[in-house]
Amino acid sequence: AQSVTQLDSQVPVFEEAPVELRCNYSSSVSVYLFWYVQYPNQGLQLLLKYLSGSTLVKGINGFEAEFNKSQTSFHLRKPSVHISDTAEYFCAVRQTRDNNNDMRFGAGTRLTVKP
Amino acid sequence: DAGVTQSPTHLIKTRGQQVTLRCSPKSGHDTVSWYQQALGQGPQFIFQYYEEEERQRGNFPDRFSGHQFPNYSSELNVNALLLGDSALYLCASSLRGPGNTIYFGEGSWLTVV
Repeated sequence: AQSVTQLDSQVPVFEEAPVELRCNYSSSVSVYLFWYVQYPNQGLQLLLKYLSGSTLVKGINGFEAEFNKSQTSFHLRKPSVHISDTAEYFCAVRQTRDNNNDMRFGAGTRLTVKP
Repeated sequence: DAGVTQSPTHLIKTRGQQVTLRCSPKSGHDTVSWYQQALGQGPQFIFQYYEEEERQRGNFPDRFSGHQFPNYSSELNVNALLLGDSALYLCASSLRGPGNTIYFGEGSWLTVV
C-alpha cells in the first residue's frame, strides 16, 4: 500500500516570496507522483506530474517539483507566489501498475499568500 | 470541450435515506472513478468503473455502489446514509492506461442531517 504525508498543514507566505510545500511518500511498489490544487468550492486541478525521466518537473502557473527517490520526496516549489496562488494543495501517488486509478492523497497543505 | 461535470452540486439528506450522484466524464474518457473528500482531508478513493464494470474498490462498505452507462457516464449510490457520509464527492475521469492524467469534477456536496 502507498501513503502520502504532507509535512505542513498550513503555509503562510508573503506575496512575491518563494515557497516550498513538502511531500513524502511511502510505497513498496513503483509509483507515479502528482500535485493537485483545489481552489475554494472547486474540484482538483492538476499542477504537474512525475511519470519517469527528469526528476525536475515543471507544471502550470510557474510551479515545479523535484522527485527524490532516495528520500522518497516530491516537494513543490514556486520562486515567487501571487495572491491568486492561495489554495489547498494536495500531493498524490498512484501505482504504475496498469489501469490503476487508486490515487492516494495527502491531507493537504493550505497555502495562504498575504499582501 | 466540457470537462467532468457532476450533479447535483449540493444536497441535504436525512440519516437512513439513499442518495444518487451523477457524473459525465470529460469527452473521450472511458474510465470513471469516485472519491470522497471529508472536510479538511484529502480525497479518498471509493471505486473505479470501466466498460460498465467496477474494476477497483477502495476501503468503503457495500452501502456505496455505482454504475457506469454505455455512454461512460456514471452514478454513485449511497444507501442507509450516516452522518459521517457528509462530504464532497468527486468524480474523476481518464483514458484507461498507466500514467494517464485523471481529471476531476467540481464535486457534489452532500450533507447528512
